Amino acid sequence: QQQVKQSPQSLIVQKGGISIINCAYENTAFDYFPWYQQFPGKGPALLIAIRPDVSEKKEGRFTISFNKSAKQFSLHIMDSQPGDSATYFCAASVGEKLTFGTGTRLTIIP
Amino acid sequence: GAVVSQHPSWVICKSGTSVKIECRSLDFQATTMFWYRQFPKQSLMLMATSNEGSKATYEQGVEKDKFLINHASLTLSTLTVTSAHPEDSSFYICSARGGGGASRTDTQYFGPGTRLTVL
Repeated sequence: QQQVKQSPQSLIVQKGGISIINCAYENTAFDYFPWYQQFPGKGPALLIAIRPDVSEKKEGRFTISFNKSAKQFSLHIMDSQPGDSATYFCAASVGEKLTFGTGTRLTIIP
Repeated sequence: GAVVSQHPSWVICKSGTSVKIECRSLDFQATTMFWYRQFPKQSLMLMATSNEGSKATYEQGVEKDKFLINHASLTLSTLTVTSAHPEDSSFYICSARGGGGASRTDTQYFGPGTRLTVL
């Protein structure tokens, strides 16, 4: 009930391309969906977040698409750059407790 | 804004000793702090949630007597790993949620993590 499933586990994208990471959830009570970026040996940093009352949110090169009926949400990174190479975690929460996805290791190649 | 610090960033200790990790919110008041554990190439697993001035709430399977959490003020929480053993070696990350300053009340802000190695 509390799981958040994330795919793919790893992703390789060419520089300038679009990186897409998907997440699905079961608990319809979740009301906050953040994405975090984590570099090796560092803590996660909030990238962008969305609430279920909107279907899309864009901040710079990062966009969250949210499909409430399908219980899915995704992160799109436009014009991907080598500096975007990191592990990305989706998460969902109801109240204050976050449930994390399993993570996607993104590698941007020249 | 909304910066969370952790100290130390890494620590090596002998089996059987205790280790204390500090988590501080630098520019906002953290009404709630969270402690996570992360194994290599794995996701973050919530260990416990603490509110300032009250006892921590531990997740199922986390030994409260082994992982002592104290949330002494609105800017400081500590995690003490008691009688550490090699299987406790991990990356421990705290996060804080609160309000005021540069923080949003609905967002958890993460610290940089502490790498614990128990020999």
